[in-house]
Amino acid sequence: KAGVTQTPRYLIKTRGQQVTLSCSPISGHRSVSWYQQTPGQGLQFLFEYFSETQRNKGNFPGRFSGRQFSNSRSEMNVSTLELGDSALYLCASSSGLAYKETQYFGPGTRLLVL
Amino acid sequence: GENVEQHPSTLSVQEGDSAVIKCTYSDSASNYFPWYKQELGKRPQLIIDIRSNVGEKKDQRIAVTLNKTAKHFSLHITETQPEDSAVYFCAAKATDSWGKLQFGAGTQVVVTP
Repeated sequence: KAGVTQTPRYLIKTRGQQVTLSCSPISGHRSVSWYQQTPGQGLQFLFEYFSETQRNKGNFPGRFSGRQFSNSRSEMNVSTLELGDSALYLCASSSGLAYKETQYFGPGTRLLVL
Repeated sequence: GENVEQHPSTLSVQEGDSAVIKCTYSDSASNYFPWYKQELGKRPQLIIDIRSNVGEKKDQRIAVTLNKTAKHFSLHITETQPEDSAVYFCAAKATDSWGKLQFGAGTQVVVTP
């Protein structure tokens, strides 16, 4: 099976712009979780989508949003970028079922906000 | 909410020695505890996981133990090799917290030949 893929791998944006990141889960997986990884805050949960519905959300401002398509691919969007949004954004896919929640990570999108 | 503390933040071991990383969690509803290894510039990779109905799990040189009463779990790596050098993260997840892994801050492990 192909692993989790993310595009693009690298992005450079300026403050105030918006950005859209994409994640394709492992075939058959219906859950996609998103995380932000920074040296200072570590790995922090953004949100999780299952069958096109957001089931869980972390403590991030409303500028961070996401969606999931019928083929389980997911996108996250960050509007009005701030310098502090510079980070590695990771998505992880899983079956989404209770007791089968093992998550497999994609390679990440490294976002730099100038 | 859930809080996971991980110690030590850095760990230097001689090749062939054992390494132990410890984590504590706060949410008694946590029932799933994975460990990830992240090499520089790479994605986190699952190395072992354990559920709350199991006290210990082993996979070759790697083992994880869980003490539900004390709310702590540990990763043990035996016969360390230079390729074990990486950052290791523990995580905890509650049954009703869909998709949310709460991660520890990570342990930088350096194995010197």
